[in-house]
Amino acid sequence: SQQGEEDPQALSIQEGENATMNCSYKTSINNLRWYRQNSGRGLVHLILIRSNEREKHSGRLRVTLDTSKKSSSLLITASRAADTASYFCATDGGGADGLTFGKGTHLIIQP
Amino acid sequence: GAGVSQSPRYKVAKRGQDVALRCDPISGHVSLFWYQQALGQGPEFLTYFQNEAQLDKSGLPSDRFFAERPEGSVSTLKIQRTQQEDSAVYLCASSSPRLALGEQFFGPGTRLTVL
Repeated sequence: SQQGEEDPQALSIQEGENATMNCSYKTSINNLRWYRQNSGRGLVHLILIRSNEREKHSGRLRVTLDTSKKSSSLLITASRAADTASYFCATDGGGADGLTFGKGTHLIIQP
Repeated sequence: GAGVSQSPRYKVAKRGQDVALRCDPISGHVSLFWYQQALGQGPEFLTYFQNEAQLDKSGLPSDRFFAERPEGSVSTLKIQRTQQEDSAVYLCASSSPRLALGEQFFGPGTRLTVL
């Protein structure tokens, strides 16, 4: 069964705006990752945040983690049409574990 | 190639048929994972290999699902007597202990449709 829940399930914004997606999970984690999945392509790893970190940046991406609330958020700033995709959070217990994914947020960037 | 490859990319099967899905991991990656992704959902873990050893198969939904990796490289996921609920994208990922925090690299998936 899937552990994470992303919200919103779908998000449509204008190009140039910021997009925020949230993820909640149920059990203790070691790491939380965000992935992007485009139609017809595999999952692409975007960013990882460890359980002892609270915020991380990578280019236009900003991820926060609140382990007390078992939640994370992904912010994409200055969105582009190419950001249109589904975004998933995934958690692991550390090491070579299978990942536990959420249901994903489908993001549409309108030109 | 440099990435994880999977074949076939698309498979249509009649209910009751057996299917075999292939995964070629990144060369040298000892860890290999299979996931099932239903339409509109996130991937769900099926099974995990380290070299040829299947260390975790807790996610396999039934005994109709069987995975193998006999030489510690290529892996095959076999589904016997397919049912309509088996329709999904099957993703393969590989990883190496040398990679930081066990990052997994995913293949493009095999989309299975059971009629």
